[in-house]
Amino acid sequence: ELKVEQNPLFLSMQEGKNYTIYCNYSTTSDRLYWYRQDPGKSLESLFVLLSNGAVKQEGRLMASLDTKARLSTLHITAAVHDLSATYFCAVDSNDYKLSFGAGTTVTVRA
Amino acid sequence: DAGITQSPRHKVTETGTPVTLRCHQTENHRYMYWYRQDPGHGLRLIHYSYGVKDTDKGEVSDGYSVSRSKTEDFLLTLESATSSQTSVYFCAISPPSLAGAQGTPHYNEQFFGPGTRLTVL
Repeated sequence: ELKVEQNPLFLSMQEGKNYTIYCNYSTTSDRLYWYRQDPGKSLESLFVLLSNGAVKQEGRLMASLDTKARLSTLHITAAVHDLSATYFCAVDSNDYKLSFGAGTTVTVRA
Repeated sequence: DAGITQSPRHKVTETGTPVTLRCHQTENHRYMYWYRQDPGHGLRLIHYSYGVKDTDKGEVSDGYSVSRSKTEDFLLTLESATSSQTSVYFCAISPPSLAGAQGTPHYNEQFFGPGTRLTVL
């Protein structure tokens, strides 16, 4: 069974500072996805990472994948208030199913 | 907009009653999924479908059944609702990946509907 662990589960960020969310998973996979969820809303796809060493960037967010370490990171640069949300990683088990982490709830304070 | 709707969006029901949630897509994709979201658990797969009348169980399928008689509709049924099934339910679809295009592997990016908040009293 594929297990996905995110940490931290809660992250209080100060505006302007940098932070990282970690996503570890238990079995081999080279496909990983990051999603964002605003309170009371649905999940929005952020990044699709499809190989070892893949790096994707969008604005202040950058995601990377290390398949050998079974680790993905979501790096936030110079946090701003509108990045407050819950972020999920999801690992593709190569059988058309995804396994999700528990989510990291991010709050950005002034 | 991924072309997914869910109905109802909110429902309150009583223990022991049957409940059916509907997911409708306008994209004609083969793969459709039902998840539940509970605090501390992320999203957990209930059932999924890979075509009309083709369905399979996910990790938390007990107490749920599904049906897919048309490509565009995927129904989730709670035969006899229990309080432990109080949750937010999301439907998702997965478009065909660009498999083979310039070496891109198969992948399974999923797009989610707006969710249904179900409360079982």
